[in-house]
Amino acid sequence: DGGITQSPKYLFRKEGQNVTLSCEQNLNHDAMYWYRQDPGQGLRLIYYSQIVNDFQKGDIAEGYSVSREKKESFPLTVTSAQKNPTAFYLCASSMGGHTEAFFGQGTRLTVV
Amino acid sequence: GEDVEQSLFLSVREGDSSVINCTYTDSSSTYLYWYKQEPGAGLQLLTYIFSNMDMKQDQRLTVLLNKKDKHLSLRIADTQTGDSAIYFCAEGLSNTGNQFYFGTGTSLTVIP
Repeated sequence: DGGITQSPKYLFRKEGQNVTLSCEQNLNHDAMYWYRQDPGQGLRLIYYSQIVNDFQKGDIAEGYSVSREKKESFPLTVTSAQKNPTAFYLCASSMGGHTEAFFGQGTRLTVV
Repeated sequence: GEDVEQSLFLSVREGDSSVINCTYTDSSSTYLYWYKQEPGAGLQLLTYIFSNMDMKQDQRLTVLLNKKDKHLSLRIADTQTGDSAIYFCAEGLSNTGNQFYFGTGTSLTVIP
């Protein structure tokens, strides 16, 4: 079945370590997005990519990095520079042109 | 980013109608969306409306758009316990490529 898959569902990280969250889609979508969700703050855009080998910073990109080497993959690295990384991270994709965004099931990252 | 505002909480009795409100600031929105998020999961699209429409009805869901006041609402008729979730409005802006901006989310609790 077509869809968007995030892994892992739960992730624990020690302070000072980098960690990479996976996002894969087989919907043949051009655009992919990473959002961070905190209670009472809704979804905030971290990075987005409209096409392979291109990506732009969102509103809260500091402390994060991404790559888009393949159309179907858009991994997010949470670096040690991110001061408060504990959150729920959501990946999404769309065909572009403001068509519907499809979401993965999310990764809950906890820094211990 | 753009400001998309929602009330944080709403409680209704089973069988009553629910109305979830959203205000936004950018008048260049092309599409406006309503998403539903169940606990620990990603977002699922419920419905959307083009910015040149005033109303859209889809079974128990009615979306009203007041472009002049930049106000969007979602009415759920005959609300059921399974409707308990967080509801997000989102806008797609014509001048920002494929970006979506999400509201803070409204947590709907349906009381049996």
